[in-house]
Amino acid sequence: QKEVEQDPGPLSVPEGAIVSLNCTYSNSAFQYFMWYRQYSRKGPELLMYTYSSGNKEDGRFTAQVDKSSKYISLFIRDSQPSDSATYLCASLGQNFVFGPGTRLSVLP
Amino acid sequence: DVKVTQSSRYLVKRTGEKVFLECVQDMDHENMFWYRQDPGLGLRLIYFSYDVKMKEKGDIPEGYSVSREKKERFSLILESASTNQTSMYLCASSLAGAGADTQYFGPGTRLTVL
Repeated sequence: QKEVEQDPGPLSVPEGAIVSLNCTYSNSAFQYFMWYRQYSRKGPELLMYTYSSGNKEDGRFTAQVDKSSKYISLFIRDSQPSDSATYLCASLGQNFVFGPGTRLSVLP
Repeated sequence: DVKVTQSSRYLVKRTGEKVFLECVQDMDHENMFWYRQDPGLGLRLIYFSYDVKMKEKGDIPEGYSVSREKKERFSLILESASTNQTSMYLCASSLAGAGADTQYFGPGTRLTVL
């Protein structure tokens, strides 16, 4: 079993939709959880991170961690075509562990 | 503006060649990392370094070595390139003891081994 699992998609939504991206993880020792956004032919950039359980909001983005079910979510409100990218979830144990990424397309 | 740069965006090499991938960061970061990224597998850690002349194996070090002679530079070496090393290689850096908010990635090098 991989330490971080993520549906690779692709996921296509119309502009303005609410997007839900999800990951599960297996190591209960993980405390930090991150979401990275990666545009085509670019390196990943950190979008949000949370520590332990709870929610964190930044503009149109909300990251949510449920440690009881080992579930990580990223919600994007009022999605825009510029949000089209691959989204990687990650956890930090001894080192960073990444999911394979979900490719999102927001259609105008 | 923080910057992690990688020497090449695209590289084509032949089986058996020795390949050098260079990474430079200008943020005075102590930690540097090399990952490879493959479809469906995500990012996998090859090697990392917490200080000059120091290196640690990641999850998939076989077939690779690294060099960190200066704080700002971290090199990945493929001693004898093979076709299964065709991949996107990503370098990252972070501050020592930092939390998750300070890992910065370079643009990546797409390596093809023929």
